[in-house]
Amino acid sequence: KNQVEQSPQSLIILEGKNCTLQCNYTVSPFSNLRWYKQDTGRGPVSLTIMTFSENTKSNGRYTATLDADTKQSSLHITASQLSDSASYICVVSPNQAGTALIFGKGTTLSVSS
Amino acid sequence: GAGVSQSPRYKVTKRGQDVALRCDPISGHVSLYWYRQALGQGPEFLTYFNYEAQQDKSGLPNDRFSAERPEGSISTLTIQRTEQRDSAMYRCASSSDRTISGNTIYFGEGSWLTVV
Repeated sequence: KNQVEQSPQSLIILEGKNCTLQCNYTVSPFSNLRWYKQDTGRGPVSLTIMTFSENTKSNGRYTATLDADTKQSSLHITASQLSDSASYICVVSPNQAGTALIFGKGTTLSVSS
Repeated sequence: GAGVSQSPRYKVTKRGQDVALRCDPISGHVSLYWYRQALGQGPEFLTYFNYEAQQDKSGLPNDRFSAERPEGSISTLTIQRTEQRDSAMYRCASSSDRTISGNTIYFGEGSWLTVV
């Protein structure tokens, strides 16, 4: 069964610290993996999209990694800011026409001063 | 339109009533997704269209839920005989490519449904 598991479920860090969020998936065949940031009450905003051949992709202070062999991805946030407080959602696309996205349940990050 | 538009933004309904939620995707986008998100939870996939064809409805919780996209553009998610457990944010998303391989997916602001 195609699944996406994210950990931790929630995380609290101090402003300025780094953190890493995990995403493990069992989706096969695999097309791409996306990380989204979702502020409370808003729609998700795309951070990164990675295909099978990509190992890492950065977007400002956000760096995503992908290991397609172990089917694991991580999102690293550097020098966190209060505005990073949000839910981070991992979404995997199967490489199969007509097949839907598989969503993780998200990690809720709280950055405190 | 410029973005994915959903209506109503907020809906309060009495248990047992039917509700219809509308999604107007970005013009020309082929793929349209519906999912729902309970407070504090991650998204839960409901159903997915390519053009007017419903490709996958495995996420619909039960037969009270249905969706259509008759002309391959606007979609309506209908919930019949609503129950309190149906209360959630219902979001729509669209993408320009039916294989969704690497294309950006645009999300609407969602429709908050509260069943009392």
